Amino acid sequence: DTGVSQDPRHKITKRGQNVTFRCDPISEHNRLYWYRQTLGQGPEFLTYFQNEAQLEKSRLLSDRFSAERPKGSFSTLEIQRTEQGDSAMYLCASSSLIYEQFFGPGTRLTVL
Amino acid sequence: KNEVEQSPQNLTAQEGEFITINCSYSVGISALHWLQQHPGGGIVSLFMLSSGKKKHGRLIATINIQEKHSSLHITASHPRDSAVYICAVRSLIQGAQKLVFGQGTRLTINP
Repeated sequence: DTGVSQDPRHKITKRGQNVTFRCDPISEHNRLYWYRQTLGQGPEFLTYFQNEAQLEKSRLLSDRFSAERPKGSFSTLEIQRTEQGDSAMYLCASSSLIYEQFFGPGTRLTVL
Repeated sequence: KNEVEQSPQNLTAQEGEFITINCSYSVGISALHWLQQHPGGGIVSLFMLSSGKKKHGRLIATINIQEKHSSLHITASHPRDSAVYICAVRSLIQGAQKLVFGQGTRLTINP
C-alpha cells in the first residue's frame, strides 16, 4: 500500500495523559499536513511541514500540542496533558508540489 | 460566517436521482477541492479544480470563480454514494498551503 498511513487508528486515554500519533506520508511527497476533525464538522488545519521544516501552525495548536518531522519523512503529533476537548479525529495528509492532498485514514482520539 | 459554506447540510434521495451539493466561499482561492468521507473517517479526494468543469464517471464538479461558487453533481445516484461530501479551498494568500473546509454535506441514497 503506497498511500498515507496513520498509527494508531484508535486511541483511548485518560485525561491528563500524553499521547503521540504517527503519520507516514506518500514517499515522494515533501509536504505533510495535520488536521483535526470533531464530530459533525469539517476538518480544521493544525500545522504543515515542507520537508522537515514546520512552516505554518494554527492558533488551534496550543502549547500542549507539538508536531515534528525530523527527517522529512514520517511525522509525529504529540498532545500533552490531554483534555476531553481534545477528543477528535486527527487526520494527516501529504502532497507534492502539485498541491492535491492525499489523506490518511485518521487517528480517532477519545479522552475519558 | 464561515469562509466556506455548504448546502444542504443533509440530503436524502432515492437511488437514481440526480444530486447537487453546493459550496460558496468568501475568500480568493487558488484551488477548490471536493472530498468524500465515508463512515470510519477516511477522506478521498474527488476533484481539485480552479476553473470550469471536471467529470469523473458519474461525478461532475463545476466552479464559477466570479460568483465564488462550486457545485458537485452525482448522476444516477447509488446507495454506495452515501457519504459525507466536503468542499475545501486553498487561499490565494501567497505561500498559503492549508485547506479551509466546509462543514460537509451528509448524503444518504436509499435503494
